[in-house]
Amino acid sequence: DIQMTQSPSSLSASVGDRVTITCRASQSISSYLNWYQQKPGKAPKLLIFAASSLQKGVPSRFSGSGSGTDFTLTISSLQPEDFATYYCQHSYSTPPTFGQGTKVEIK
Amino acid sequence: EVQLVESGGGLIQPGGSLRLSCAASGFIVSSNYMSWVRQAPGKGLEWVSVIYSGGNTYYADSVKGRFTISRDNSKNTLYLQMNSLRAEDTAVYYCARENFHGNGDYFDYWGQGTLVTVSS
Repeated sequence: DIQMTQSPSSLSASVGDRVTITCRASQSISSYLNWYQQKPGKAPKLLIFAASSLQKGVPSRFSGSGSGTDFTLTISSLQPEDFATYYCQHSYSTPPTFGQGTKVEIK
Repeated sequence: EVQLVESGGGLIQPGGSLRLSCAASGFIVSSNYMSWVRQAPGKGLEWVSVIYSGGNTYYADSVKGRFTISRDNSKNTLYLQMNSLRAEDTAVYYCARENFHGNGDYFDYWGQGTLVTVSS
């Protein structure tokens, strides 16, 4: 199975900050990488698919980049509603696996 | 509007069985790839199983031989039959629809989740 490793596991940031989360795959996955946001008690929500494509309805302050083994999710200006846990997930092969999550907290 | 509504969770003793349901609206279950993803309390997301539109099924090693994914086309509903349940199966179970792009697929719609607790 392909292992997905996110860093950091958590971070503290202020409203307006630029935030970057990294995801690394244990082998090359081309651009088969998705990002989700999850708030407590809620289902995950798709933000970015295919490494850099913004899901409809997702604010443009979210962006994704990368290919091969290294990927990033960037929030250009953190908003109060962005405090949540973020997961990367590969879709290169079965089983699809998720990173362990990055919790974004209020500083 | 696409909606997924899970049901069937609850408290079950180790070794017991439970069937989860995921009622879909706004799209046809049998025309899509549908997955179950679970999340243990305070933990991350773990893919469990998928059923393809053609009927092929795949499972995570952790549930292979114990869980069975299926669908009822007449009810537009996805199921997960869980047998020989263990404490480590305790989790919120989500059903999710897979959508496709040139570079792979992704889970674009999720249900609200149903909690399964395996405990004596």
